[in-house]
Amino acid sequence: DVKVTQSSRYLVKRTGEKVFLECVQDMDHENMFWYRQDPGLGLRLIYFSYDVKMKEKGDIPEGYSVSREKKERFSLILESASTNQTSMYLCASRDADSYQETQYFGPGTRLLVL
Amino acid sequence: KNEVEQSPQNLTAQEGEFITINCSYSVGISALHWLQQHPGGGIVSLFMLSSGKKKHGRLIATINIQEKHSSLHITASHPRDSAVYICAVKVRSGGSNYKLTFGKGTLLTVNP
Repeated sequence: DVKVTQSSRYLVKRTGEKVFLECVQDMDHENMFWYRQDPGLGLRLIYFSYDVKMKEKGDIPEGYSVSREKKERFSLILESASTNQTSMYLCASRDADSYQETQYFGPGTRLLVL
Repeated sequence: KNEVEQSPQNLTAQEGEFITINCSYSVGISALHWLQQHPGGGIVSLFMLSSGKKKHGRLIATINIQEKHSSLHITASHPRDSAVYICAVKVRSGGSNYKLTFGKGTLLTVNP
């Protein structure tokens, strides 16, 4: 059974804190993604990675960075959290960039920045 | 203008009704996904299609590539179908890479 896990379901942080969101997949997928989801805006791609140590900016990378040191783990980093980064964060993974492949999503991390 | 438009944004139905959710897109795509998100956040992929029609249980998805339009139908709807349904299109993001672009979702509530 495919599995994508995220380190926390709920997280409360203060403005200016450094925040790490971890995502782990056990499917040996090359591709991993970080999205944020906000009411009225839907899912938006922050960063993605096609392989270990590779990363690409998505549609809204500002204020975020990522790390992919191992194939199974993709970390999203908020260097200095701000209140406008309060959101639901979703990680996903996908096998090689095949035409028919499906993205598998984690359960999400709801982050509140005070 | 959003690249992926869904309608309606909200839909309330009575148990047993036939439901249709629409998705229109304005970019060239290689595939289209329908996703389901229940309260609590987890997202599940329902269908991925690039042409024609797919059926899984009470769910049917169709796509018309020429018209850049897809529909998700639910027959004999049930309260457990209540969720957000999201349309996403797979577009080329440079070289041989692809990414998903998402619609804003349709919140479906099925009342008993």
